[in-house]
Amino acid sequence: NAGVMQNPRHLVRRRGQEARLRCSPMKGHSHVYWYRQLPEEGLKFMVYLQKENIIDESGMPKERFSAEFPKEGPSILRIQQVVRGDSAAYFCASSPLARGRRETQYFGPGTRLLVL
Amino acid sequence: DQQVKQNSPSLSVQEGRISILNCDYTNSMFDYFLWYKKYPAEGPTFLISISSIKDKNEDGRFTVFLNKSAKHLSLHIVPSQPGDSAVYFCAAPTQGGSEKLVFGKGTKLTVNP
Repeated sequence: NAGVMQNPRHLVRRRGQEARLRCSPMKGHSHVYWYRQLPEEGLKFMVYLQKENIIDESGMPKERFSAEFPKEGPSILRIQQVVRGDSAAYFCASSPLARGRRETQYFGPGTRLLVL
Repeated sequence: DQQVKQNSPSLSVQEGRISILNCDYTNSMFDYFLWYKKYPAEGPTFLISISSIKDKNEDGRFTVFLNKSAKHLSLHIVPSQPGDSAVYFCAAPTQGGSEKLVFGKGTKLTVNP
């Protein structure tokens, strides 16, 4: 029973390049969340998706960042024209469809992005 | 504006003793709280949760206490073990259907043998 999977685990990019981070939710989970953790900080919400829908992107920077969760395949967090300030750990979490109660979010191991 | 606060960045305890990690919140609309444990280079692992209709929830060595009037919760680990050494995050889901989690900055627990 695989948990939330993320790849790559480590990603190095030069300024101006694109970064693509992938997340496969746990089996049976239809909700995906992306969080970012800067050094010495807690995790900060970025975006919440269900299959083919962005539900809440209130934590996403307005420019360069986008996310999708297609009908088939993993969720993708895409960062265009990366800058040094994008260096962080990016975590994906998934949860099942809520059925009248609070559902726990389960996290993947994260992708550590380093922008040179 | 930090809605969930963990004011102690670190805590050190002896093996076998009790560890108490604290968390305060400002948003009175929060009705559910979670604790996550995180090892370096790994993702957060769910530990225990509590609904606001309760004031205590226990799971083995871990107990979470909630004081709604003080907007305060605490995680007790007893007895503490060296393997408990990690960063502990307090979190709460927001209202409004998104269920996005708001996290504290974390407390690094070190359990000394």
